[in-house]
Amino acid sequence: EDKVVQSPLSLVVHEGDTVTLNCSYEVTNFRSLLWYKQEKKAPTFLFMLTSSGIEKKSGRLSSILDKKELFSILNITATQTGDSAIYLCAGRGSNYKLTFGKGTLLTVNP
Amino acid sequence: DAGITQSPRHKVTETGTPVTLRCHQTENHRYMYWYRQDPGHGLRLIHYSYGVKDTDKGEVSDGYSVSRSKTEDFLLTLESATSSQTSVYFCAISKEGDFYNEQFFGPGTRLTVL
Repeated sequence: EDKVVQSPLSLVVHEGDTVTLNCSYEVTNFRSLLWYKQEKKAPTFLFMLTSSGIEKKSGRLSSILDKKELFSILNITATQTGDSAIYLCAGRGSNYKLTFGKGTLLTVNP
Repeated sequence: DAGITQSPRHKVTETGTPVTLRCHQTENHRYMYWYRQDPGHGLRLIHYSYGVKDTDKGEVSDGYSVSRSKTEDFLLTLESATSSQTSVYFCAISKEGDFYNEQFFGPGTRLTVL
């Protein structure tokens, strides 16, 4: 059975801090690792990573995948209150299903 | 915007009643999914579809059935709702059929079973 574990489960920081969110996975016939952001609504797509060691960036957010050690990290620099959300990690295997972790609840205080 | 709508958006029902949730997409994507989201559990796959009349079970399929008679609609049915099925239900689609595509989510349906 595929498994995705995120840590920490929750995190409280101050505006301007840098945070690192962790995701480890065990996915049969692994194809890709995806990150989503969820505010008080549906998850929205952030990144998809398929190759090890290649960083994906979007503004203050970046993510990297390590296929040897089976983990990914999501970094957020210079955090803002608008970054407060649940961050979800998911692994995709050779079928078309995603296995999600339980998420990291990030709270950014002013 | 992947053109996904869900209906109803909110529903309150009683234990033992049948409930059907609808997911509608406007862009003819092949793959559609139903998830439920509960505190402490994240998103869990209920059923998914890889084409008209082609469906398969996810990790939490007990008590749920699905149907897909048209490309654009994917229905989730709770034959006899139970309180444990109180949850937020999300539909998702995959835009393309290869192994590397991401999923996009509908707005969700909040279901309460009393």
